[in-house]
This record gives sequence, C-alpha cells and structure tokens, in this order.
Amino acid sequence: DSGVTQTPKHLITATGQRVTLRCSPRSGDLSVYWYQQSLDQGLQFLIQYYNGEERAKGNILERFSAQQFPDLHSELNLSSLELGDSALYFCASSGDREHYNEQFFGPGTRLTVL
Amino acid sequence: AQSVTQLGSHVSVSEGALVLLRCNYSSSVPPYLFWYVQYPNQGLQLLLKYTTGATLVKGINGFEAEFKKSETSFHLTKPSAHMSDAAEYFCAVRPWGGGADGLTFGKGTHLIIQP
Repeated sequence: DSGVTQTPKHLITATGQRVTLRCSPRSGDLSVYWYQQSLDQGLQFLIQYYNGEERAKGNILERFSAQQFPDLHSELNLSSLELGDSALYFCASSGDREHYNEQFFGPGTRLTVL
Repeated sequence: AQSVTQLGSHVSVSEGALVLLRCNYSSSVPPYLFWYVQYPNQGLQLLLKYTTGATLVKGINGFEAEFKKSETSFHLTKPSAHMSDAAEYFCAVRPWGGGADGLTFGKGTHLIIQP
C-alpha cells in the first residue's frame, strides 16, 4: 500500500459527459501528479500540483483540468469525453524529506467511455 | 526534452535464469532514473532509483541497475528469476534538480517467467 488513495476505482460513462477523479496523497506529501495510461500512448504525465499551485504541465488536453485543495487532495476533471479518453488514470505524490525524489502511485481509476 | 527507450516489449526467461531488461534514455541534462514495476490491475511500485552517487543501485526484490553515462543506459538485472517477478516493468527519467516535472516513461517491458 503506497498510502495514495484514488476514487473511484472504476468509472463507466458516455461520450460527451464530464467526470471527476479524486486523489488523496500520502500524509505529508505536497506534490500531486496525474498520469494517464492507455494502450496507444503508454504512461503519460498530465499535470503536477505543489501545495495548491500548478507546477508543471505535460500532455494534458484542454478538455482536462485539475486542482489541488487546501487539504492537499486533488481532483482531475475530464469533460466532453471521447472514446479515446478510456484509460487508467494514476495519481502519484511525493515531497516528504526522506523520499523527495520518489513518486508514490495510487491504485488508479479505470475510466471507460462508451 | 527527454525520452526513454525500452528494448523489447516482451522478455521471456526461465525460472532461475538471469533477468535483463534494457533501458536507454535521452536527456539534455543529467537525469534521475527510475525503474517501476506494475502487477496486473495494480498501481506502479518503485523498484529502485538513481539520483547521484554510486552508479550501481540496488532495489527491492533482488533487482539492481547500473547507470552508465557513456552508454546513456540504465539496465535492470536480477540474477535469478522467480515466478513472482512476472509483471510489467517501466523505466522512467526526470531531469536532475528541481521538483517540477513529471516522469517520462518508456513503453514498458512485459516480463514472462517460464517454469
């Protein structure tokens, strides 16, 4: 158990819809990262937040957005969903003094767009 | 810009044999290097990492990797494969220094262990 939690585990929705994925980082971690894992694209970095502020952007679509709240949990919002958005979405966290260079991954949310 | 190439999308070894998973990277600055393992329907678990210092890095479950700057490689090895090692393995890179930026992953290598 990495200490990172993600909800829900599975999500099935239709094209055009909007969903929100939630992540709670490990206790003490200030950074949260979002990744997408798909058969086509592999594992791709989407976005990073550090202590509530956006820190870095990767291959995140404009239809996607994220935020990190004062209690450090993060949400990834996916809108106008397309079939190609079906993927496993991982959240990772890092930042405590001992494990500064490590990212701890949650179990993921599997999104299926029908 | 950085990239990671993992040679071989599937590698099959016999139980007890040497495991060698190859990773080459491209980075404009000195990198941090990582190997992660993913078991079916699970998240990624860190096996080992190279940041600075000793170039031979030991990780969990008997795995180790050697950073070779001249070859821009970070191959993962284990002397004797076990059935429980069957999983997907990912090599990843991050620029040295700073806390920003996510990891850039290779496409992964599926390790198959033959009994």
